[in-house]
Amino acid sequence: AQSVTQPDIHITVSEGASLELRCNYSYGATPYLFWYVQSPGQGLQLLLKYFSGDTLVQGIKGFEAEFKRSQSSFNLRKPSVHWSDAAEYFCAVGGNSGGYQKVTFGTGTKLQVIP
Amino acid sequence: NAGVTQTPKFRVLKTGQSMTLLCAQDMNHEYMYWYRQDPGMGLRLIHYSVGEGTTAKGEVPDGYNVSRLKKQNFLLGLESAAPSQTSVYFCASSYRPGAKYYGYTFGSGTRLTVV
Repeated sequence: AQSVTQPDIHITVSEGASLELRCNYSYGATPYLFWYVQSPGQGLQLLLKYFSGDTLVQGIKGFEAEFKRSQSSFNLRKPSVHWSDAAEYFCAVGGNSGGYQKVTFGTGTKLQVIP
Repeated sequence: NAGVTQTPKFRVLKTGQSMTLLCAQDMNHEYMYWYRQDPGMGLRLIHYSVGEGTTAKGEVPDGYNVSRLKKQNFLLGLESAAPSQTSVYFCASSYRPGAKYYGYTFGSGTRLTVV
């Protein structure tokens, strides 16, 4: 069974500081991986995705993530955080399951940005 | 604007009442999904549909029914609401072969409270 672990429930960073959100996944084959962001009262928005090729993927809003197969990780990074990045971030893993592309979400990491 | 529209945005039900949540997408997506989001539990799949006229159970289907009579609409029904169904409900959609290429498009959610 596929699963996702986001070990950090809540992270606080100062504006302008770098950010890394952790994500570990479990999946038997090559997974496809996503990061979504959810602002308060909103739905989830896709930040970036990985399904093959270059293991460092670029997304929107200046975010990037690196797929590390040996560590089963897909950590999200941003070199300099802005106050508008305060939101909840979800990692997700997908794979084929009986013809259906099943996607499993992590429990989320809430990011607080302090001035 | 293209996207996924959910109605209503908020609803309060009494225990035992029934209601239907509507999800509509205008992107010609084949796949549609209903998730519930609860604190500390991430998103859990309730039901999904891989095409018009087809539905299938997800992780937490009990107490819910769905229908997809038209490709653009996916309805979630609660026949007899229970307090345990208090949650935020999200609808999402994706292209049939393309969840791993495009990810999901989410609606903005329905906040349901059952008293």
